[in-house]
Amino acid sequence: AQSVSQHNHHVILSEAASLELGCNYSYGGTVNLFWYVQYPGQHLQLLLKYFSGDPLVKGIKGFEAEFIKSKFSFNLRKPSVQWSDTAEYFCALPAGNKLTFGGGTRVLVKP
Amino acid sequence: NAGVTQTPKFQVLKTGQSMTLQCAQDMNHEYMSWYRQDPGMGLRLIHYSVGAGITDQGEVPNGYNVSRSTTEDFPLRLLSAAPSQTSVYFCASRGRGLRNTEAFFGQGTRLTVV
Repeated sequence: AQSVSQHNHHVILSEAASLELGCNYSYGGTVNLFWYVQYPGQHLQLLLKYFSGDPLVKGIKGFEAEFIKSKFSFNLRKPSVQWSDTAEYFCALPAGNKLTFGGGTRVLVKP
Repeated sequence: NAGVTQTPKFQVLKTGQSMTLQCAQDMNHEYMSWYRQDPGMGLRLIHYSVGAGITDQGEVPNGYNVSRSTTEDFPLRLLSAAPSQTSVYFCASRGRGLRNTEAFFGQGTRLTVV
């Protein structure tokens, strides 16, 4: 069965700091991966997606993620965060008929 | 293009009451799902559907029923509400095919069972 794990549950950092959120997956089929963001009080929105090809994927708002097959990882990065990046971030893996989410990472950016 | 529409946005129920959370999408997506979101537990799949007339259970289906009579609608029924069902519920839809696996989410329904 497929699974997604996010090891950081809470991250607190200051504006302009760099951000990296970990995501590891387990799945035996073709791997597609997503990162979603949920701003306070809002629904989930797609940040970026990996289907195939270039393992470095660029998304909206300056986010990027790197797919490393050998490590079963798809870590999310942003070189310099802003206060408006305060949100919860979810890694997700579509597998068959299901979309499986990691437990989420809450990010608080202090101004 | 409305995307995925959920109603209501907020609901308070008494233990034992029943209700239906509505979800509609206008993107002609075949796949629709219901998730519940609880602090520290991410999103957990309740039920999902791969097309009209076809539904299946996710990881936390107990206490919930679904049906899919049309492509557009996927209501979630709470048969007898319990305090453990206090949560935020999200409906999502996505198309079939490798390039259509991105899910679109509704705004959520915040349910409190007292």
